[in-house]
Amino acid sequence: QKEVEQNSGPLSVPEGAIASLNCTYSDRVSQSFFWYRQYSGKSPELIMSIYSNGDKEDGRFTAQLNKASQYVSLLIRDSQPSDSATYLCAVNPYNAGNMLTFGGGTRLMVKP
Amino acid sequence: DTAVSQTPKYLVTQMGNDKSIKCEQNLGHDTMYWYKQDSKKFLKIMFSYNNKELIINETVPNRFSPKSPDKAHLNLHINSLELGDSAVYFCASSRSGTINEQFFGPGTRLTVL
Repeated sequence: QKEVEQNSGPLSVPEGAIASLNCTYSDRVSQSFFWYRQYSGKSPELIMSIYSNGDKEDGRFTAQLNKASQYVSLLIRDSQPSDSATYLCAVNPYNAGNMLTFGGGTRLMVKP
Repeated sequence: DTAVSQTPKYLVTQMGNDKSIKCEQNLGHDTMYWYKQDSKKFLKIMFSYNNKELIINETVPNRFSPKSPDKAHLNLHINSLELGDSAVYFCASSRSGTINEQFFGPGTRLTVL
C-alpha cells in the first residue's frame, strides 16, 4: 500500500462547479497535511495546510481532515479554468522529521 | 523578491559526469530539502537538512550528496551521473517546528545523455 494515495484523474468539472479532491494516507499518527497545486512545467505551490480534524477554509478552498478515517480532501468552490492543474496531497508522517511524503497527484481540468 | 531560487534551470550532461545544482532561500528558514520529480510526476523527498541534522531518504544512492555552506544555501552534488538520474530536482525550505509549510524553488531539469 502506498503511503499517500490519490486518484490520478483527470477529474473534469465544469466552470463554476465544486471540485472535490481526495487523499488517503497510511500512517495513522501523521500530524500535518498539505495541499499543493502544480501547473505543468512549474513548481509545487502551497495552497492549504491542515493539522486538526474538521474543515479549514481559505477563500474558494476548503481542506477537510478526518484522522480516524485517514482521509484528507480539498474542495474548490466556483472552479475556474485557471484552477486546472495537478493537485498534490502531502503528509508529514510521525518520526519523519520535517520530511513530507507526497501522493501521486490528481489532475484537475476545469472546462469553460 | 523573497523566494527559493535554484540554478541552473536546465542541465544537460553526459553519463559519468559530476554536476552540482545550487539552491538559495531568503525566507529566513532554517530547514532545506531536495526533492526529485520523475517522468511520471511523482515527487519524492531526497534529503532534509538543517544546521543540526541531515536526514537522508534511504532510497537515495550515495552518489547524491547535499552540501550546505550556510543556513540559506543547500546545494546538491551528484557524482557519476546515470541515465536514471534524469528528472526535475526541486529545492524547498521551511521553518522548523510544528508548522512545516515548505516552499519550493522553480526546479532544475536534469537530462543525462
